[in-house]
Amino acid sequence: VMTQSPATLSVSPGERATLSCGASQSVGRSLAWYQQKPGQAPRLLIYLTSTRAAGIPARFSGSGSETEFTLTISSLQSEDVAVYYCQQYYAWPLTFGGGTKVEIK
Amino acid sequence: QVQLVESGGGVVQPGSSLRLSCAASGFTFSAYTIHWVRQAPGAGLEWVAFLSNDGGEIHYADSVEGRFAISRDSSDKTLHLQMNSLSPEDTAVYYCARSRGAGSHYFDFWGQGARVTVSS
Repeated sequence: VMTQSPATLSVSPGERATLSCGASQSVGRSLAWYQQKPGQAPRLLIYLTSTRAAGIPARFSGSGSETEFTLTISSLQSEDVAVYYCQQYYAWPLTFGGGTKVEIK
Repeated sequence: QVQLVESGGGVVQPGSSLRLSCAASGFTFSAYTIHWVRQAPGAGLEWVAFLSNDGGEIHYADSVEGRFAISRDSSDKTLHLQMNSLSPEDTAVYYCARSRGAGSHYFDFWGQGARVTVSS
């Protein structure tokens, strides 16, 4: 089971946003992050815990291992308003966290 | 460019069947695996099913095991999801999503989704 916190995060523009994802058992580093904006399909941000996908801005970074992971947006932009999901691909079934909604304060 | 296009969604009654398709283009189909992922209204993402390139490995979410069947047609680069005994809990947008496979089952490209509504 993947658990994300907080459920909603309000951050001022230019400030840092820190999103957490916890796994009920170790998933090694097999952890990905996605961004989903309203009415759109999810977009891959990070895979293998900390590798940015193609075209993803450097303000997005990932860290962690085993059971505790973090997605950091170093300087929040208006276009970063979205729901963010983590996903483990260490074992079947593949599972997603419940999501963190990021808002502009 | 890379494209995944879902089709076959619609409104059906409980107990009915529906077949979704995902047409892939713009990339080497055999180099990737395709999954089905769904999202109920106002809810998060739920992985549904996976089929390996050679057809030798199949996985389903517990919630659909025994009711859904995934298949792949390499000749026309299409993935299918046969959904039987549908219930209102299966109402969702169904996405097909691409992964590299072999321990790298994260999704680097998604289709726009097919909406399935199960209602009497």
